[in-house]
Amino acid sequence: AQSVTQLGSHVSVSEGALVLLRCNYSSSVPPYLFWYVQYPNQGLQLLLKYTSAATLVKGINGFEAEFKKSETSFHLTKPSAHMSDAAEYFCAVSENNQGGKLIFGQGTELSVKP
Amino acid sequence: DTAVSQTPKYLVTQMGNDKSIKCEQNLGHDTMYWYKQDSKKFLKIMFSYNNKELIINETVPNRFSPKSPDKAHLNLHINSLELGDSAVYFCASSRGNIQYFGAGTRLSVL
Repeated sequence: AQSVTQLGSHVSVSEGALVLLRCNYSSSVPPYLFWYVQYPNQGLQLLLKYTSAATLVKGINGFEAEFKKSETSFHLTKPSAHMSDAAEYFCAVSENNQGGKLIFGQGTELSVKP
Repeated sequence: DTAVSQTPKYLVTQMGNDKSIKCEQNLGHDTMYWYKQDSKKFLKIMFSYNNKELIINETVPNRFSPKSPDKAHLNLHINSLELGDSAVYFCASSRGNIQYFGAGTRLSVL
């Protein structure tokens, strides 16, 4: 069975600082991995996805994530936080490339201080 | 135009009532989903339909019944609402493995 663990339910950074949100996965098959962002009172928006083409994946709004098979990790980073990055971030895994359910982590709330 | 739209956005009702949430997507996708987000923001799949056919049915009480009249619509009907049904319900659609989510329906059962 697949699962996702996000370390830290709440991360707080200063504006301009590095953002690092951690995600570890468990999967018996090569995983498809995703990061979604949820702004207050909104639905989820895809930030980026890993589908085995490249281990370093660039997404929208300056975010990127690196797939590390040896560490079963897919951490999300952004070099410089902006106030508008404050939101809930979800890591998710899927077992196939043709749709099917997403298994989500618990979510990490990112706060950005001025 | 909104790609995945859900109605209503907010739903407040009494225990024991029956209610429906509607979802429509204009992306031309074949697959649609319902997810439940609880008070701790944990998201879990409930159902998935592909071209009007049920393909995923997680461990969800029988009081929840999805209906897909065509591949652009996936509605969720809930009978005999309970306090524990209070949550945000998200509809999503996909082609391939990218899912597009609606804005959610916040259901409060009193």
